[in-house]
Amino acid sequence: GAGVSQSPSNKVTEKGKDVELRCDPISGHTALYWYRQSLGQGLEFLIYFQGNSAPDKSGLPSDRFSAERTGGSVSTLTIQRTQQEDSAVYLCASSRHRDKNQPQHFGDGTRLSIL
Amino acid sequence: AQSVAQPEDQVNVAEGNPLTVKCTYSVSGNPYLFWYVQYPNRGLQFLLKYITGDNLVKGSYGFEAEFNKSQTSFHLKKPSALVSDSALYFCGATDSWGKFQFGAGTQVVVTP
Repeated sequence: GAGVSQSPSNKVTEKGKDVELRCDPISGHTALYWYRQSLGQGLEFLIYFQGNSAPDKSGLPSDRFSAERTGGSVSTLTIQRTQQEDSAVYLCASSRHRDKNQPQHFGDGTRLSIL
Repeated sequence: AQSVAQPEDQVNVAEGNPLTVKCTYSVSGNPYLFWYVQYPNRGLQFLLKYITGDNLVKGSYGFEAEFNKSQTSFHLKKPSALVSDSALYFCGATDSWGKFQFGAGTQVVVTP
């Protein structure tokens, strides 16, 4: 499709398990962002990728969170040893490049529930 | 430090009445400002942006926003609200490095 695709759309797992969330950005978009959104709340920036540059990891809440972007396209956000407070919607966005005037295009998110 | 503020958690308006969602910003240099809308169980959708030029920016679904440099504001407006406009609205800004920051969001409720 033409938009940002995220999978799975929903994920339920037990506390302590690891999870992987996937994001397929729009083709040709070099900038990719991950955000976390708690129920009905604002967006919390997690990590940002721009081309081949080192990612901006300043928003990752703990060392249990990591992300990678292979081949400048698909990105995976991994949460290790999940905790109940990790329950949230994880949103991915991409933009054409890290130009100030480029809007971000969002996927519909992965709803993560930790039991 | 850069910041974006949306002072209202929720805005209630009757259908057919004007809708305003407030946003103020603090950004170094020239601001690049955006509005997004989020419907339930969906990602954010881009509505409009201000880069430079005319202070009144027109966007999708009949929305517009007015950039006011002296008040550092970028309020979202719609002359006549629809029930279908009920959603969560986010204001955002980019800094000189291109890093994006969102406001906390404003829930808009339009009643029939």
